[in-house]
Amino acid sequence: KQEVTQIPAALSVPEGENLVLNCSFTDSAIYNLQWFRQDPGKGLTSLLLIQSSQREQTSGRLNASLDKSSGRSTLYIAASQPGDSATYLCAVRGIQGAQKLVFGQGTRLTINP
Amino acid sequence: DAMVIQNPRYQVTQFGKPVTLSCSQTLNHNVMYWYQQKSSQAPKLLFHYYDKDFNNEADTPDNFQSRRPNTSFCFLDIRSPGLGDAAMYLCATRRGTGNEKLFFGSGTQLSVL
Repeated sequence: KQEVTQIPAALSVPEGENLVLNCSFTDSAIYNLQWFRQDPGKGLTSLLLIQSSQREQTSGRLNASLDKSSGRSTLYIAASQPGDSATYLCAVRGIQGAQKLVFGQGTRLTINP
Repeated sequence: DAMVIQNPRYQVTQFGKPVTLSCSQTLNHNVMYWYQQKSSQAPKLLFHYYDKDFNNEADTPDNFQSRRPNTSFCFLDIRSPGLGDAAMYLCATRRGTGNEKLFFGSGTQLSVL
């Protein structure tokens, strides 16, 4: 059974810092991994999708990497801004049970002005 | 323009009173999902449809049912809500032809009194 873990559970940094959020998964047989952002009381917004054959994806100040063999992904946020404050969730779509995404519990990020 | 639309945004029901949450999509995607997310927890898959093919997660309580009358609409019925069913309910879609990303609606926050 796939399990996804995100560390840390919460992170608070001053504005302007570069930061890394971590995601690990137990079964490396995956189709893809997706990073989402969730604002309080809201739905999920897709940030980046990395296919199993890819090593990284970039969008603006965000860069996500994937090391499938070690079961790890990182989300790098450059030059953080207060508007980046949110919960960030990673989710993997495994080859077993291919239709569903298994989520981590998220990292609650606070950027202090 | 919203592509996955959930109504209502907030729903209050009484203990034991049936309630229906709705989801519609303008993306013409084959796959639709219902997730339950409790406070500070990872979203948990309840069901998914691939076209009209219904797939129930093994640990989804019998109290939860779903209907998908056509490609665009999907409903979540909670037959006898308990206090433990208070949560955010998230609908998501995926094209279903490959390793595409999921699109989420804004969610329905259900309160049970």
